[in-house]
Amino acid sequence: QVQLVESVGGLVKPGGSLRLSCAASGFTFSDYYMSWIRQAPGKGPEWISKISSSTSYTNYADSVKGRFTISRDNAKNSLYLQMNSLRVEDTAVYYCARDMRGVAAAGPPKDYWGQGTLVTVSS
Amino acid sequence: QSVLTQPPSVSGAPGQRVTISCTGSSSNIGADYDVHWYQQLPGTAPKLLIYGNINRPSGVPDRFSGSKSGTSASLAITGLQAEDEADYYCQSYDSSLIGSVFGGGTKLTVL
Repeated sequence: QVQLVESVGGLVKPGGSLRLSCAASGFTFSDYYMSWIRQAPGKGPEWISKISSSTSYTNYADSVKGRFTISRDNAKNSLYLQMNSLRVEDTAVYYCARDMRGVAAAGPPKDYWGQGTLVTVSS
Repeated sequence: QSVLTQPPSVSGAPGQRVTISCTGSSSNIGADYDVHWYQQLPGTAPKLLIYGNINRPSGVPDRFSGSKSGTSASLAITGLQAEDEADYYCQSYDSSLIGSVFGGGTKLTVL
């Protein structure tokens, strides 16, 4: 069965950095685009980044562009999110999610999600 | 302020039918980008409910259905059950933002 497991988040001071990872299993990881999505407390989900199956293409929401970097290691079935220059408003639960194949090349649905990991940015 | 607008809450009695709207604009739903719907139970990750406007993943009951017209989409739930009480979110793509966008969510209460 498909499983996505994010690493533990944590408490970070404003301006600090944190790297999240997501371990994938139960499917051929290298065949799928992957995304990071976050959800601030009491808010709707916010898509923040996606990466192509071969890593040749990445895209970011304006809110994180220039501060966050998405990457993947297909040999390790792992997805990563390097977060730098963290701000209080980055506080959220961060989810890794699999982009469904064959549906809506632009804005595909996310057919599997990890359990999420809480990142708190506070002094 | 979410790019896609949903009513904050809807409610219905068991067995009834409810609909949840998702209103966008000419750069997302109105540009004919697909709409997808998710159900989020408290403390859990969102679960895909409807994809490509009208399609249900395997395992999703046919009580859930989706539609789209113009700059809006709707999720309908018939035969309401207590376990349907959750938050529901729509998702599409926005060509101005060059990325996926979500609605602010609708909390469904089963009376």
